[in-house]
Parts: sequence; structure tokens; C-alpha cells
Amino acid sequence: QQQVKQSPQSLIVQKGGISIINCAYENTAFDYFPWYQQFPGKGPALLIAIRPDVSEKKEGRFTISFNKSAKQFSLHIMDSQPGDSATYFCAAKQTSGSRLTFGEGTQLTVNP
Amino acid sequence: DTGVTQSPTHLIKTRGQQVTLRCSPISGHKSVSWYQQVLGQGPQFIFQYYEKEERGRGNFPDRFSARQFPNYSSELNVNALLLGDSALYLCASSFGGSPSGANVLTFGAGSRLTVL
Repeated sequence: QQQVKQSPQSLIVQKGGISIINCAYENTAFDYFPWYQQFPGKGPALLIAIRPDVSEKKEGRFTISFNKSAKQFSLHIMDSQPGDSATYFCAAKQTSGSRLTFGEGTQLTVNP
Repeated sequence: DTGVTQSPTHLIKTRGQQVTLRCSPISGHKSVSWYQQVLGQGPQFIFQYYEKEERGRGNFPDRFSARQFPNYSSELNVNALLLGDSALYLCASSFGGSPSGANVLTFGAGSRLTVL
């Protein structure tokens, strides 16, 4: 049961460009929305996270935009660098729950 | 500061065999979760243990079992292996039982299981 839908599946961006990855969810009980970055051979690493009481959160070049009414959230990577080339996963967690529900991932390639 | 450590890193089994995967959480973390990541997909929740008690179970068959030891390390066991069990098995730890905010869920590098 896919509760978090992520797009696009793959993304190619030029160095210095903006990378945008989108996610949509169905379960209104979700209250925590993290983004994870995964390099080949490594486990996912937390990049940035947001709660539904704010519409935007920025950390360095990474920004999450959150639209509660549309049940959508997105990751924006400004000034994308080749070192950002990785797979990105959005995720969501229910109130008081313990499990993260992940999207299917976006493979980002930043060309030099 | 040592992160989440998992062993073995790679292993190959044949159908019908049993496998045990091990995980040591970050020092001070009391919660361990297991996820299965099939190639090209996002991680799928299998189990969570907090203070040695099962706190959550995903939609996996009873062939999958786990436990947490007094030192908070954990084992995941899979019996009667099927070809479809081939995946990267990720262990993650957190201080508290509900990952959010400051209670970050930190993943290990995983154990890659191949079933032939």
C-alpha cells in the first residue's frame, strides 16, 4: 500500500541549477515529514525534516515546502552540485507512531 | 562517535535457508528499527523495538522475527528464505521510541542479502 508517492523517479540537473522533488501523501494522520539522502553502498541519512504546522523550512541549500491542504511537500536543492548526486527519499510518520513510510525515491544526477 | 553498525555487510543464501542479521545501535540509543529495501525502492518498515519490547510490526510474514537484547543491540531473523527476500536490510536507531524532531532516526549501511 503506497501511502507516499514521490516524483520524478529520476532527475538530471546541471551544476548550479535547482533540483525539485515532489511527494504527496494520503494519510492525514502523518505529522512528521523527513527527507533522506542515500549514496550507493550507504544507508539513508537524514537531510532535513518538517512538521505540518509550518509551510517552509530551509537549511543551507535545502528547502522543504509543505502544502497541508494539498497534502503535498517538496524538496528544493538550490545551486545543485555534483556531490548532491544521490537517491533522495521523502518519508512520513504518523502521530505517536514509530514507523517511517518512505516514497519510492528519486535518483538525482547533477552534471558538472 | 560510532554510528549504527550492522553485520554481515553482504551474504548469499539459498532458498529455504535461514539468516540472522545483527545490529548495534548508536551508544545511548534505546530504539532499533529494521527496514527492508528492495533494489530501486524505498525502505519498508519491518519491526521496531524500544526498551527490548516490540513497538511496531510491518506487513511482513511470520518468517520474519526480531529481538532486542539488554545492551539494545538487535537481531533480525528470516526463516525459509525466498528469492523475493533478496534486499538490503537496514537497521536504524533512535534515542526514543518515536522518531521525529530531535529524535533523529539514524540508519546503518545495511546488510545486503542475496537469495539464490
